[in-house]
Amino acid sequence: SQQGEEDPQALSIQEGENATMNCSYKTSINNLQWYRQNSGRGLVHLILIRSNEREKHSGRLRVTLDTSKKSSSLLITASRAADTASYFCATAGGGSNYKLTFGKGTLLTVNP
Amino acid sequence: DAGVTQSPTHLIKTRGQHVTLRCSPISGHKSVSWYQQVLGQGPQFIFQYYEKEERGRGNFPDRFSARQFPNYSSELNVNALLLGDSALYLCASSPFRGGVNTEAFFGQGTRLTVV
Repeated sequence: SQQGEEDPQALSIQEGENATMNCSYKTSINNLQWYRQNSGRGLVHLILIRSNEREKHSGRLRVTLDTSKKSSSLLITASRAADTASYFCATAGGGSNYKLTFGKGTLLTVNP
Repeated sequence: DAGVTQSPTHLIKTRGQHVTLRCSPISGHKSVSWYQQVLGQGPQFIFQYYEKEERGRGNFPDRFSARQFPNYSSELNVNALLLGDSALYLCASSPFRGGVNTEAFFGQGTRLTVV
């Protein structure tokens, strides 16, 4: 079963704009991770935020985590056409330290 | 260093057949996990192996099995294929037993089509 739910399911923006994707989950977690997937191929890890962290940055990426609301957001600033991909949040923990539980993903399209 | 490699990249099988998918983790990684991704959905956890032992299993029927070899490579086997088994099968490796306390490194996947 899916743990996380990303919102929106699809997002279309122009190059240079910012893109924000949200993720909600149901159980307690050890950490939350964001992955990117191009054209149905392998997943690429973007960023990991631990349950005791509230915000994390990596280049043009900013992730926030609100454990009281069981939600996270991923912000991509100054988007590029190459950022076009599906983005998934994945949670780890909640009694299962051996697996990631993924949401259904957000399809981001960045128009040149 | 090479990343996680999976073979084959594409596969077409007939209902009722058996399939074996293979994964080589990053050198030095002892944990291998398998995920199934149906079109339009996020990946679903199938198995995790660490040091050649099964450490976790997802909600999949007994038709799915896996094993890890002494060199830490892994095979995923699916018997009596159903149309619903058509999916992208992803392998992920990690250096740690916990597997998910740091980033997971995914292969490019095997696209299985059952006809």
